[in-house]
Amino acid sequence: DIQMTQSPSFLSASVGDRVTINCKASQNINKYLNWYQQKLGEAPKLLIYNTNNLQTGIPSRFSGSGSGTDYTLTISSLQPEDVATYFCLQHSSRPRTFGGGTKLELK
Amino acid sequence: EVQLVETGGGLVQPGKSLKLTCATSGFTFSNAWMDWVRQSPEKQLEWVAQIKDKSNNYATYYAESVKGRFTISRDDSKSSVYLQMNSLKEEDTAIYYCTVASAYWGQGTLVTVSS
Repeated sequence: DIQMTQSPSFLSASVGDRVTINCKASQNINKYLNWYQQKLGEAPKLLIYNTNNLQTGIPSRFSGSGSGTDYTLTISSLQPEDVATYFCLQHSSRPRTFGGGTKLELK
Repeated sequence: EVQLVETGGGLVQPGKSLKLTCATSGFTFSNAWMDWVRQSPEKQLEWVAQIKDKSNNYATYYAESVKGRFTISRDDSKSSVYLQMNSLKEEDTAIYYCTVASAYWGQGTLVTVSS
């Protein structure tokens, strides 16, 4: 199984800050990496698919990058509504595996 | 608008069975590959199972943790996907989500396995 190591597990930032969250795969996942946002009591919502493709309706302050085993989600200017937990998912091979999550809070 | 609605969760004793249903609308279900994903009380997400479409012979795949106990199936005439869960264990306690292409998710249904 491919292990996904997500960091940091907790992040505190201020409105307007640039925020980055990382996922490292235990082997090459060929850019088959999605990012999700989950707010309290809600289902995960797709933000970015296949490393750097913005899902319809998602604000452009969210972006993704990476290749091989290392991937990054960037929020260019943090907004209050971005408080949530963020997960990565690799869908390069089965079983699909998720990162452990990053809980993002406002400072 | 894509909609997925999971039902069938509840409190069940260890060793018992439960069947989850995911009713869908807003997309061409018959062409879609459907997945079940669960989220533990500790908030960890775990992929559970996948079923492909008719053109792929409805092939199914399972996580090792549920293989031999859970069965995923679908009814294209009802645009629905199912998860039959047998021999349930306390560690199966989770919110169960169905997803299409890992892009759209239902609101989830809570399964609690406890005596």
